[in-house]
Amino acid sequence: AQSVTQLDSQVPVFEEAPVELRCNYSSSVSVYLFWYVQYPNQGLQLLLKYLSGSTLVKGINGFEAEFNKSQTSFHLRKPSVHISDTAEYFCAVITRGGTALIFGKGTTLSVSS
Amino acid sequence: GAVVSQHPSRVICKSGTSVKIECRSLDFQATTMFWYRQFPKQSLMLMATSNEGSKATYEQGVEKDKFLINHASLTLSTLTVTSAHPEDSSFYICSASLPGISYEQYFGPGTRLTVT
Repeated sequence: AQSVTQLDSQVPVFEEAPVELRCNYSSSVSVYLFWYVQYPNQGLQLLLKYLSGSTLVKGINGFEAEFNKSQTSFHLRKPSVHISDTAEYFCAVITRGGTALIFGKGTTLSVSS
Repeated sequence: GAVVSQHPSRVICKSGTSVKIECRSLDFQATTMFWYRQFPKQSLMLMATSNEGSKATYEQGVEKDKFLINHASLTLSTLTVTSAHPEDSSFYICSASLPGISYEQYFGPGTRLTVT
């Protein structure tokens, strides 16, 4: 079975500071990896995904993530955050050929001025 | 492209009544749709997977007689919460995947259900 661990439940940062949201996964088979963002009372929006190829993937809103197979990690980064980045961020995995997304518990990113 | 809508966005119903939530893929045909439940400050829990024209596959612990799922067309899936109780109050989110690309899901905006 697959599982996803988001190591930080809350990450407070100041505007224009860099941020890293950590995600580790466990799986005995190859997986695809995703980061989603959720604004209050809204659905999920895909930030970026790793399917194959380059381990550094770039997404929307200036976010990027790096897939590290040996560390089974897929950390999300942004070099300079904005107030508007305040939201809940979810890491998710799905096995290749599977249909069920497994989500982490989420990380609340709070950006203040 | 790949837009998913949900209706209603918010619904309040009395205990014991049933409520239907619709999930539509607006610009693509979705052979597979998914229903999730999200409790406050928590992650999404998959409730069931529905394939057009066949019975939904429910996750362990989800009561299929309470949460009725119908996927009658390639663009519409419905979730009916029957005999709702206050503990059914939650945020329900659907998603849909493109044919042949099951790993990539597009999420609806969610429905906030409050049972009084």
